[in-house]
Amino acid sequence: DVKVTQSSRYLVKRTGEKVFLECVQDMDHENMFWYRQDPGLGLRLIYFSYDVKMKEKGDIPEGYSVSREKKERFSLILESASTNQTSMYLCASRPERANTEAFFGQGTRLTVV
Amino acid sequence: AQSVTQLGSHVSVSEGALVLLRCNYSSSVPPYLFWYVQYPNQGLQLLLKYTTGATLVKGINGFEAEFKKSETSFHLTKPSAHMSDAAEYFCAVSHTGGFKTIFGAGTRLFVKA
Repeated sequence: DVKVTQSSRYLVKRTGEKVFLECVQDMDHENMFWYRQDPGLGLRLIYFSYDVKMKEKGDIPEGYSVSREKKERFSLILESASTNQTSMYLCASRPERANTEAFFGQGTRLTVV
Repeated sequence: AQSVTQLGSHVSVSEGALVLLRCNYSSSVPPYLFWYVQYPNQGLQLLLKYTTGATLVKGINGFEAEFKKSETSFHLTKPSAHMSDAAEYFCAVSHTGGFKTIFGAGTRLFVKA
């Protein structure tokens, strides 16, 4: 069974903290993605990576950074958490071919207080 | 640029009734189209996809969708709704050479007993 695993289901952090969200996939996929999901706004792409050490900004990268040191792992970093970053964060991976579906993790619900 | 529009953020049907969730896309190149389902507090999972060939595609749980190029649509249907179909549904588009999958805002389906 293919798997994308996010390190936490629920997180509560304080304003100003540095927050790390980890994602691991076991499918040898080239592409990995971080999305943010908010009611009425669907999935918005924060960052994606198409290879190790390669990253591209998505639609809403401000306040976030990413790291991909190994093919299977893609980390999202909130440099200084703010309350407007309270959201559901979804990691996904996909093979290089665009006609294939993305596989999603279970999501991390982050609350910043 | 590609985009996806899902008509109706909420749809309510009675158990046993037809389910119709609407999706229109915009793409300057031949699209690949996907429908995903998200159950509460879970990640997204693939329902069905259109890449090439037959324009009527069948997916899991009795759902199907038809690609209509002239209408730039990919509506999702199911002849008879079941209580277990209550979830959020996302339409998505990608294309050859594209790294990203673009998602619609989602439609929440309610099923009444």
